[in-house]
Amino acid sequence: EIVLTQSPGTLSLSPGERATLSCRASQSVSSSYLAWYQQKPGQAPRLLIYGASSRATGIPDRFSGSGSGTDFTLTISRLEPEDFAVYYCQQYGSSPLMYTFGQGTKLEIK
Amino acid sequence: EVQLVESGGGLVQPGRSLRLSCAASGFTFDDYAMHWVRQAPGKGLEWVSGISWNSGSIGYADSVKGRFTISRDNAKNSLYLQMNSLRAEDTALYYCAKDGCSGGSCYPKYYYYYGMDVWGQGTTVTVSS
Repeated sequence: EIVLTQSPGTLSLSPGERATLSCRASQSVSSSYLAWYQQKPGQAPRLLIYGASSRATGIPDRFSGSGSGTDFTLTISRLEPEDFAVYYCQQYGSSPLMYTFGQGTKLEIK
Repeated sequence: EVQLVESGGGLVQPGRSLRLSCAASGFTFDDYAMHWVRQAPGKGLEWVSGISWNSGSIGYADSVKGRFTISRDNAKNSLYLQMNSLRAEDTALYYCAKDGCSGGSCYPKYYYYYGMDVWGQGTTVTVSS
């Protein structure tokens, strides 16, 4: 079973700064099967990125995803106040069938 | 507007049962696989179960296998989760989520995974005596 480890656990930044969030898999993951979600307090998760680097519908272009193999990154180029939230990476695995989430990175205002 | 609305949560004693429902609207329900994802209080996300568009393929997390049953009624645009033998560790907010892939090569064997692109607001299940 693949384990996703996100780092850092908490990231403190100011609006306008660049955020880099990491997701590391315990074994190689196809980039076609890696997604990122944003969750704000009291809200449902929102899909940001799929296929490691494709933005979901309506997602601003300041959000970008990259990576391959075991190391994936979500980058927010210039933080807006509404970007402070918890971010989760997720991978799909077929054998066994599993949708594994990382433990999350909390992005907080410095 | 694409929408998922969960219902059926509540307080239940350990060992008892509960049935969650998810009403879908704004999209062609029977084109997509659907999922249940849960979030324990203050914790992260955990996939619980998924079902293909035609109910032909169903999967469960090991933590609920043998106790939970997912089903859908495409005529009613509805998804369900029957939860039996509930435990304290099943206490969570349960989300219904739409799979982003339609057509061939989707759940459970994707050629390309488009993520879970629509989520409901969740229904809370509390298992306690």
